[in-house]
Amino acid sequence: KNQVEQSPQSLIILEGKNCTLQCNYTVSPFSNLRWYKQDTGRGPVSLTIMTFSENTKSNGRYTATLDADTKQSSLHITASQLSDSASYICVVSAGNNRKLIWGLGTSLAVNP
Amino acid sequence: DTAVSQTPKYLVTQMGNDKSIKCEQNLGHDTMYWYKQDSKKFLKIMFSYNNKELIINETVPNRFSPKSPDKAHLNLHINSLELGDSAVYFCASSLGLAGAYEQYFGPGTRLTVT
Repeated sequence: KNQVEQSPQSLIILEGKNCTLQCNYTVSPFSNLRWYKQDTGRGPVSLTIMTFSENTKSNGRYTATLDADTKQSSLHITASQLSDSASYICVVSAGNNRKLIWGLGTSLAVNP
Repeated sequence: DTAVSQTPKYLVTQMGNDKSIKCEQNLGHDTMYWYKQDSKKFLKIMFSYNNKELIINETVPNRFSPKSPDKAHLNLHINSLELGDSAVYFCASSLGLAGAYEQYFGPGTRLTVT
């Protein structure tokens, strides 16, 4: 069964600290993996999209990694800011029809 | 300019009523979607249209009927609203099919059924 699991479910960090969010997937065949940021009361916004051949992709202070062998991805946030407080959702595109499999997200709170 | 817009942003109504949510995108995309996000924050696709044609119709009650008058618009009509329909509904669009292209989401419509 195609699934995307994220950990931790929630995380609280202090402003300025780094953090890493995890995404494990059991999706086959794999097409691509995305990370979205969803602020409270808003729609998700794409941070990165990675294909099978990409190991790392950055978007400002956000760096996503992908290990297609172990079917794991991580999202690293550097020097966190209060505006990073949001839900971060991992989404994997699967199969020839490239159906999107959504994770439940990690809720991140950055405190001053 | 708002890329994907939805109206209304909030909708409060009583059980049994019929309501519509409108979505418009000005990105020139061919594909549009409706998602439902429940209280557990899980985003679930409901419908997908490509060039005004329905291509994805997940297991959604017949009370939900999408309508795409043109490529830039995808509306959602809900008949006989139930308490369980309370959720946030997101419209999204992409250049092509979602699995291959980035999706752009609207701000959401929070539907509360009392």
